[in-house]
Amino acid sequence: SQKIEQNSEALNIQEGKTATLTCNYTNYSPAYLQWYRQDPGRGPVFLLLIRENEKEKRKERLKVTFDTTLKQSLFHITASQPADSATYLCALVFGNEKLTFGTGTRLTIIP
Amino acid sequence: DTAVSQTPKYLVTQMGNDKSIKCEQNLGHDTMYWYKQDSKKFLKIMFSYNNKELIINETVPNRFSPKSPDKAHLNLHINSLELGDSAVYFCASSPRLAGGNEQYFGPGTRLTVT
Repeated sequence: SQKIEQNSEALNIQEGKTATLTCNYTNYSPAYLQWYRQDPGRGPVFLLLIRENEKEKRKERLKVTFDTTLKQSLFHITASQPADSATYLCALVFGNEKLTFGTGTRLTIIP
Repeated sequence: DTAVSQTPKYLVTQMGNDKSIKCEQNLGHDTMYWYKQDSKKFLKIMFSYNNKELIINETVPNRFSPKSPDKAHLNLHINSLELGDSAVYFCASSPRLAGGNEQYFGPGTRLTVT
């Protein structure tokens, strides 16, 4: 069965540095890959979507890459700020149109 | 002007009881979902509805019954609650069923079964 792993359960990054989060999957590649942010006690919030035929997507300080050969997506936050501290979830969409979420990475930006 | 709303936010009940969670979206979306997030924060889809029609029904016990009276509402009724049902339940919506659409999540309902 398909497995989705986000590399770290928790990641601490110094303010101003680039935070890089990893999402790895097994078996076949998804049609789409999405990234969400979740703050404690709240629902996930959509950040970015990348299609299987796209290599990279950017939105302000966020960048997502998608490598179907490595079966990996990287999520970058440049010039990180304490307000970026949250749990980040990757989610894959396969043929049946449902989102399958990864385990999440709890990111803490240290001032 | 809340996009996806859920009630109640907290629900504490005893084993064996029946309870319902309500969800409403004012985004005009066609598709709505129920997710369960367990104590380890793993988020898993339970059901999806598209224009009031059940599309996805994961291997969820039949004690869980979703109902969509119209495409803006998706309620979740749970019979004979068990300890293992304790979790946070999220409702979500998306413009269409296709996976290229982002999903909008509600604030969650924390269910505690004692």
